Amino acid sequence: NAGVTQTPKFQVLKTGQSMTLQCAQDMNHNSMYWYRQDPGMGLRLIYYSASEGTTDKGEVPNGYNVSRLNKREFSLRLESAAPSQTSVYFCASSPGQQETQYFGPGTRLLVL
Amino acid sequence: AQSVTQLDSQVPVFEEAPVELRCNYSSSVSVYLFWYVQYPNQGLQLLLKYLSGSTLVKGINGFEAEFNKSQTSFHLRKPSVHISDTAEYFCAVSGATNFGNEKLTFGTGTRLTIIP
Repeated sequence: NAGVTQTPKFQVLKTGQSMTLQCAQDMNHNSMYWYRQDPGMGLRLIYYSASEGTTDKGEVPNGYNVSRLNKREFSLRLESAAPSQTSVYFCASSPGQQETQYFGPGTRLLVL
Repeated sequence: AQSVTQLDSQVPVFEEAPVELRCNYSSSVSVYLFWYVQYPNQGLQLLLKYLSGSTLVKGINGFEAEFNKSQTSFHLRKPSVHISDTAEYFCAVSGATNFGNEKLTFGTGTRLTIIP
């Protein structure tokens, strides 16, 4: 039981490049989330998926897109990376939206 | 919508001393409250949560928190800290409605440093 896994662990991009962050959970959870963590700002919700087949914007969705590929997988895409997207990205999942969230180990992204 | 304020960004504490990390929230509806811990270079993990019932909640690693509705607070305490408690601690709140669509709002975190 791996919990929530994220790939890659680290990534360096140049401004304008695109990439997809992958997230998978093996706990049969309905809800999945993408957060970014920046110093002094806590965690901010980018997008979430309440259940398979649905996605919704969070607090900071601009510059990102998501895909809930199936119940297990929820990917985050940066179409044209900007230095302001340098951050640590966390994926999380929960049985339902108001229940305990379980977090992945994070992806550290640097955009030059 | 809910909001969370963690009043201290950094708290240094001597080993074996007690610690209190403060959290205040704002909400127009009833709430669920959580404390998460993030060890260096790791993801977040749940320390404890308040959903209903007893206002004193016990969590892992000897931590506890007390829900105070009148003060809108959910402070985290430990009577004697250890070097291994060095981490960042996040308070979080969600609305306790029946709609099932409430999202978790995090505070900005408190970095706890244990001094040997």
